[in-house]
Amino acid sequence: DAGVIQSPRHEVTEMGQEVTLRCKPISGHNSLFWYRQTMMRGLELLIYFNNNVPIDDSGMPEDRFSAKMPNASFSTLKIQPSEPRDSAVYFCASSKVGYEQYFGPGTRLTVT
Amino acid sequence: DQQVKQNSPSLSVQEGRISILNCDYTNSMFDYFLWYKKYPAEGPTFLISISSIKDKNEDGRFTVFLNKSAKHLSLHIVPSQPGDSAVYFCAASASGSARQLTFGSGTQLTVLP
Repeated sequence: DAGVIQSPRHEVTEMGQEVTLRCKPISGHNSLFWYRQTMMRGLELLIYFNNNVPIDDSGMPEDRFSAKMPNASFSTLKIQPSEPRDSAVYFCASSKVGYEQYFGPGTRLTVT
Repeated sequence: DQQVKQNSPSLSVQEGRISILNCDYTNSMFDYFLWYKKYPAEGPTFLISISSIKDKNEDGRFTVFLNKSAKHLSLHIVPSQPGDSAVYFCAASASGSARQLTFGSGTQLTVLP
């Protein structure tokens, strides 16, 4: 199995620009999670979907962040406009039955 | 307020010896606990889990112990190998939460050859 796929792996952008992170979950998984990892806050859940429906977005930092899951095999996390404090590693994870989540390799975002 | 705490940011162990990583939690609703391992530039990888109905789960060199009364769990790695050097995250979830995971801050394990 291919595992969770994230793109791009690295993104460098200027403050104010729009950033779109992409995720392809493992086939057959019906839950998808977006996390952000920073030195200060560690690994924190931003939003998760069940069967393509957003269930809890209380972790999304502010309105500049949005996430979509148009189908079972694709999700995006968008930041518009981006700010330097958004610099972090963003992980996507998916799961099937049970509780184990499988993580992608992450996208390292740098906003200058 | 941190609901899952890993108070040791780092741990060094000699190859072949036992590594013990600790984790404490505060939320009594947590009923499922997991350990993840993370290498640099990679995503966390699921390692082992335990349900609150058990107090021990073993998988090869890895054993997780759960002490519900103390709200404490630990991961034992025996024997430790240099390839085990990584950051270990403890995570917990509660029933009815669609299995959202709350992660600890991680412990960097270094196994010295």
